[in-house]
Amino acid sequence: AQKVTQAQTEISVVEKEDVTLDCVYETRDTTYYLFWYKQPPSGELVFLIRRNSFDEQNEISGRYSWNFQKSTSSFNFTITASQVVDSAVYFCALSTHSGYSTLTFGKGTMLLVSP
Amino acid sequence: DAGVIQSPRHEVTEMGQEVTLRCKPISGHDYLFWYRQTMMRGLELLIYFNNNVPIDDSGMPEDRFSAKMPNASFSTLKIQPSEPRDSAVYFCASSVFSRGGSTGELFFGEGSRLTVL
Repeated sequence: AQKVTQAQTEISVVEKEDVTLDCVYETRDTTYYLFWYKQPPSGELVFLIRRNSFDEQNEISGRYSWNFQKSTSSFNFTITASQVVDSAVYFCALSTHSGYSTLTFGKGTMLLVSP
Repeated sequence: DAGVIQSPRHEVTEMGQEVTLRCKPISGHDYLFWYRQTMMRGLELLIYFNNNVPIDDSGMPEDRFSAKMPNASFSTLKIQPSEPRDSAVYFCASSVFSRGGSTGELFFGEGSRLTVL
């Protein structure tokens, strides 16, 4: 069985601050996939990124960056120069090579960015 | 391009009534998922289909829940009879097969918020 832990329930920052959302995962599989999704106040879940376990390169997309470290089983998400529109609940998720039945979401971290 | 379309967006019903939630996946996607989101349990997979065939329904809470996918562009999730503990946001999502059985990204609808009184 796998598990995704997002220890930060809620984070509050002021606009333009950098913020890192933590994600720690557990799995016995050697092939697995990690995801981040964003759920803004409107409610829909928006896909942000997917990484596989063989690709440990960090990724940057605009103000977003992701740090994947197999040694610590972590897949952290950093928003640089946060903006009010970044306010949302962010979910980390994990699936294994066994497919969609294994897709497990963390409990989410609520990010509040104030002006 | 149209995303995943769910209806209704909001449903308020009384205990014992039948509830039907509807979903239209993204055209060309061969996987369809039903998730339930509650504060207590977070996001839970209820059932998913591949090419209209149910693959895993182990997350369906009990016999009161049923899901169908009569064709590639439509799915329903039915609760009969509904109970207050079924109150939640129900999400439909679709995805495309990825090589090697890997898990592709899911595209979610806006959700159906169900309140059972």
